[in-house]
Amino acid sequence: AQSVTQLDSQVPVFEEAPVELRCNYSSSVSVYLFWYVQYPNQGLQLLLKYLSGSTLVKGINGFEAEFNKSQTSFHLRKPSVHISDTAEYFCAVAGEKAAGNKLTFGGGTRVLVKP
Amino acid sequence: DAGVIQSPRHEVTEMGQEVTLRCKPISGHNSLFWYRQTMMRGLELLIYFNNNVPIDDSGMPEDRFSAKMPNASFSTLKIQPSEPRDSAVYFCASRRTGENEQFFGPGTRLTVL
Repeated sequence: AQSVTQLDSQVPVFEEAPVELRCNYSSSVSVYLFWYVQYPNQGLQLLLKYLSGSTLVKGINGFEAEFNKSQTSFHLRKPSVHISDTAEYFCAVAGEKAAGNKLTFGGGTRVLVKP
Repeated sequence: DAGVIQSPRHEVTEMGQEVTLRCKPISGHNSLFWYRQTMMRGLELLIYFNNNVPIDDSGMPEDRFSAKMPNASFSTLKIQPSEPRDSAVYFCASRRTGENEQFFGPGTRLTVL
């Protein structure tokens, strides 16, 4: 079984400032890792994913994340945020061999970008 | 591609009534997932199907909840009888076999009075 902890429930940030959203996971098997974004009143949209290979993963809208196996972390970063990045962000994990690749989600981090 | 389609988008009902949520996955996707999102519990997987067959329903809260997938292009999640604590946003997601990304629908916001 896997679990995901997002350490910050809310992150206020000023426009054009950098942001980092923290995600730690636990698993007894190798995992795939994902970040999803949920804009108000919408479904979840994939930002980026780590399956294998390079530990630095680049996604849409200027986001990137780094997989750190020793620290079991997959933190999300953006060097300069826009007002339109205001949303809730979810980290998720799936066991590599899990049938159907069931996703386990963290509790979410709400990002509020202020002008 | 129309994406995952869910209906209705909003549902308000009274306690004790039957509620049916509907989902049409993306064409060609073989796996379908039902999630529930609440403030208290976050995003929870309720059940998922592979090739129309329920694989894991361990997340279904109780017998009042049931899900079916009669064919590759349609699934329902039914709550009978509904209770106020069932109020949540219910998401459907689909995935193509062999790929890792799940595509989410816009959700159904259910309010049980």
